[in-house]
Amino acid sequence: GIQVEQSPPDLILQEGANSTLRCNFSDSVNNLQWFHQNPWGQLINLFYIPSGTKQNGRLSATTVATERYSLLYISSSQTTDSGVYFCAVAYNNNDMRFGAGTRLTVKP
Amino acid sequence: DADVTQTPRNRITKTGKRIMLECSQTKGHDRMYWYRQDPGLGLRLIYYSFDVKDINKGEISDGYSVSRQAQAKFSLSLESAIPNQTALYFCATSDPMGSGNQPQHFGDGTRLSIL
Repeated sequence: GIQVEQSPPDLILQEGANSTLRCNFSDSVNNLQWFHQNPWGQLINLFYIPSGTKQNGRLSATTVATERYSLLYISSSQTTDSGVYFCAVAYNNNDMRFGAGTRLTVKP
Repeated sequence: DADVTQTPRNRITKTGKRIMLECSQTKGHDRMYWYRQDPGLGLRLIYYSFDVKDINKGEISDGYSVSRQAQAKFSLSLESAIPNQTALYFCATSDPMGSGNQPQHFGDGTRLSIL
């Protein structure tokens, strides 16, 4: 199956700082999603981005499918951004593979 | 996603018991999935179903079974629960329209503890 690697595994930021999270994957995909898992365990769908660039407020994401990576940008981070960020990929939704996540801590 | 409902939200039970986790959706999606998440890890696929007559094993199906009772309902069973099945379980749905590459929508999870 497709292998997914996320980096960094842990990230600590001061409130207001910017960050970039990376997701590398080992094979062609046509589904890539970024999720935020909050402290209560809920998975919040951030982006569906198999290719191209999208923005939603302070968050944006870019996927370069031909080079098999995606980036999640968080600008002007807030304490509420803390949690674990997951990248997940699939080909035709048959078997969605998740990375191990990036644990983000934003300090006030 | 509020349109994907998992019950129960939390469950504590004993080794050897039969457990059923239920998932219902109001999104009208044909495809449904069950995942488990262990501490510090991403989700792993247990089973998935593309319609009511279709059931497929995922990456970690051993020890689990599923039933697709209707388009909107997909249940996961642990026939004889064991402690290493303690995990957070998620149900998800997706819509196969178009090219088939549609996003998955997740329920809020069921936290299962087996003593």
